[in-house]
Parts: sequence; structure tokens; C-alpha cells
Amino acid sequence: AQKVTQAQTEISVVEKEDVTLDCVYETRDTTYYLFWYKQPPSGELVFLIRRNSFDEQNEISGRYSWNFQKSTSSFNFTITASQVVDSAVYFCALSEAHDYKLSFGAGTTVTVRA
Amino acid sequence: SAVISQKPSRDICQRGTSLTIQCQVDSQVTMMFWYRQQPGQSLTLIATANQGSEATYESGFVIDKFPISRPNLTFSTLTVSNMSPEDSSIYLCSVLGPYNEQFFGPGTRLTVL
Repeated sequence: AQKVTQAQTEISVVEKEDVTLDCVYETRDTTYYLFWYKQPPSGELVFLIRRNSFDEQNEISGRYSWNFQKSTSSFNFTITASQVVDSAVYFCALSEAHDYKLSFGAGTTVTVRA
Repeated sequence: SAVISQKPSRDICQRGTSLTIQCQVDSQVTMMFWYRQQPGQSLTLIATANQGSEATYESGFVIDKFPISRPNLTFSTLTVSNMSPEDSSIYLCSVLGPYNEQFFGPGTRLTVL
């Protein structure tokens, strides 16, 4: 069975600080997909990024960057120069190619203080 | 990405009653899912809504409690039956995107008194 662990429950930073969210996963499939979602206080779930198991290239999108390392089964997410609008709950998730069902981590609440 | 709407956006219900939540997508999609998010918790998959056949339920969820319909490729409903306060949650539908990502509806916030 697949499993996603987000060990950090809450992170609080001051604006402009960098923040890194950890995600560790378990799966027996060789083909799988990893995701990050953002859930702001308004409640909607916003898709941020998808990575498949064969693509270990790191990715940068604006102030967001992702580090995927199969050797350690980790898919970490960094917000550079955080802003108050980054305050949200961030979920890491995994799906396997045979059914696409998402398994979510427990989520990390990020609070950015002005 | 697909535009997904859910009705109602929120509701307050009495215990013992049932509520049907609708999920509408603006384009045809192959796979639709229903998730539950209990207060302060992460998301848990309830079932995969299969077009033209019975939904596939996850462990801990049964059809009598959460009947699901999916009459076509753009619409699905989830009913929460014989509700109790423990059913108070956000219920979200999602659709599978072209690159195996899932896009979520805005959610239905249910409170059971």
C-alpha cells in the first residue's frame, strides 16, 4: 500500500524567509506520480505540481521549487522569499499508475507573518 | 484544466437525514473521485465514481452510507445517508487530468447537528 509522510505539522516563518516542506513516500509500484497541493484558508485545493517516477529533474516555478530524490523517496518543496499569501496548508500526495487514486500526507500548515 | 462545480457549497443538516452533493464538470472526463476531509485532517478517498456502473469504494466506506451515481462523463452525485455529527466534513469531487493529476471542485462543507 502506498503511503505519504509529512513530518512537519506546522511551520511559521517571517515574510521573505525561505521555507522547505518535507515529503517522504512509500510505494511498491515502479510507475507512480507525486503531487503537491495548496489549500488556502478559503478551502479550495489548488494543484501545484506533478512529477512522475521516471523524471527526477528538479523544477522551479517562480518562488516555488521542488526536489525529487528517488534514492531517499523524498519530494520536498521549497518556497523562496515567502509572502503572507503563501500561508496555507500544503499537501503532498502520491498515486500509482494502475488506479490513479491519490493518497495524501497529513499536510503541513505554513504561516507567514508580516 | 477542467472547471468543476459542486452544489451545495455548504449545508447544515439534522442527524438522520440525507444530503446529495452534485459535481459538474465542464468537459468529459474519464475518471471522477470523491474525497472526504474531516475537520483539521487530510483528505481521504471515499470512492471512484465509475460511469455506467457501481462505484468502487475504499476500505471503511460502504455504498449504503455513501451511494454514488455517475450517469455520464460530466456529472456525479454523492449522497451522505442517515447522517450523524461524525459526518461533518468537507466533501470534494475531483477529476483526472490529462497528465494524471487530479483537479478538485470547491468542496461542500457539511455540518450535521
